[in-house]
This record gives sequence, structure tokens and C-alpha cells, in this order.
Amino acid sequence: DGGITQSPKYLFRKEGQNVTLSCEQNLNHDAMYWYRQDPGQGLRLIYYSQIVNDFQKGDIAEGYSVSREKKESFPLTVTSAQKNPTAFYLCASSSRRAGETQYFGPGTRLLVL
Amino acid sequence: AQSVSQHNHHVILSEAASLELGCNYSYGGTVNLFWYVQYPGQHLQLLLKYFSGDPLVKGIKGFEAEFIKSKFSFNLRKPSVQWSDTAEYFCAVKSIPGTASKLTFGTGTRLQVTL
Repeated sequence: DGGITQSPKYLFRKEGQNVTLSCEQNLNHDAMYWYRQDPGQGLRLIYYSQIVNDFQKGDIAEGYSVSREKKESFPLTVTSAQKNPTAFYLCASSSRRAGETQYFGPGTRLLVL
Repeated sequence: AQSVSQHNHHVILSEAASLELGCNYSYGGTVNLFWYVQYPGQHLQLLLKYFSGDPLVKGIKGFEAEFIKSKFSFNLRKPSVQWSDTAEYFCAVKSIPGTASKLTFGTGTRLQVTL
């Protein structure tokens, strides 16, 4: 069953703690993306990666980091430098074969304790 | 920088009413346009998309959208909504040429359909 999986569904972070959100895809897509969704603000791009071992900052990259060591995986770390991390985080992937349309995972809701 | 505007933040309709959600973008060149829908508790999923050709595109579940280049608009329509259409709808734009599939999203429109 092909698709994008994100884990965990809910994540709690303590002040000063780094947390990592997982995103895995088995669609054989080259490009992967991380978005943050806040009420009334739509989706904002955090980081994206067009190919393994390469990634670029999106519009709101401060306080976040990523890696792309494997085509299937694009984990996002929310660092302690991100002062307002409470949000819904969405991962997506795309490929030229699929017409560059982005397909989304189910999301991870991050809450700060 | 490119921007996308969805002026209707919250729309409430009765079942069988007609729907039109507005989407305007700021980029003056060639664009690819998308509407995504997020049903309560579900993934964000593609409703329809426009790349080229016929500016009237049809998507899933009876939705359609019309690209009007002169108005920089890509409004979403449905002749008769159902209770199950209750969801949040997002318009997104990709500029051509641009960076890979980098999309700019609107702020979303929450649609509530009452029985």
C-alpha cells in the first residue's frame, strides 16, 4: 500500500528540548517537503529536498533542521530555538512522473508542555 | 514574492446550495494551480489541478474550478454541496519557472454544510 507515513501522530515537547518528526514515503518520489499548518495561516513551507543529500530552506526554516540521507525518509527536527513550535506538521512528496503534484501524509501535531 | 489570497475564511451553506470559493494569486507569469481539501481528521488531499489547456477543470466529488488568467483567479465551484463536503479547502500555486514543486498556499476556507 503506497503512501506517506508520519509518526508520531501526537508529540509533546518540553521547554528546551529537541524533537524529531518522522516522514517516510514508498512512492519513489524524488522531492519531499515539510510544512507547518497553523489555524488561519494555511500551510507554510519549512524545508524541502529535491534529491537525496540535498535540501533547501523554505519560508520559515528558523528553529528547524532536516536531513535527507535516504530517498524514502525526510525527518524534521524541531530545535529549542523554535520559540513557537506548537502546530500541525505536514510532510509531502512529489515527482516529475506524477506531474509534480504534492501528496501529503497524515500529519503530526506537536504540543509544548 | 508570490502570494495566494482566499478571501472567504469561513463559509456556511445549507445542503444543495451552490458553492464558489475564491482564489487569487499574485504571480504574473505561467502558473500551475491546485485545490486541496482537508476533511476533519483526514489527510490533505488533491481535489483538482490545472497545468495547461482547458481552463475549466473538473476534479473529484463534483468539484470544478476555472482558471481566468486575466483576473489571476482560480475559483472553486460545486453546483450542489452535500453535508460530507464540510472541510477546509486550500488553494495553492506553483510559479513556472520555479523551484521544483515549491507551492504557495492560501490561508484556507473552512466550509460548513448544514442539513
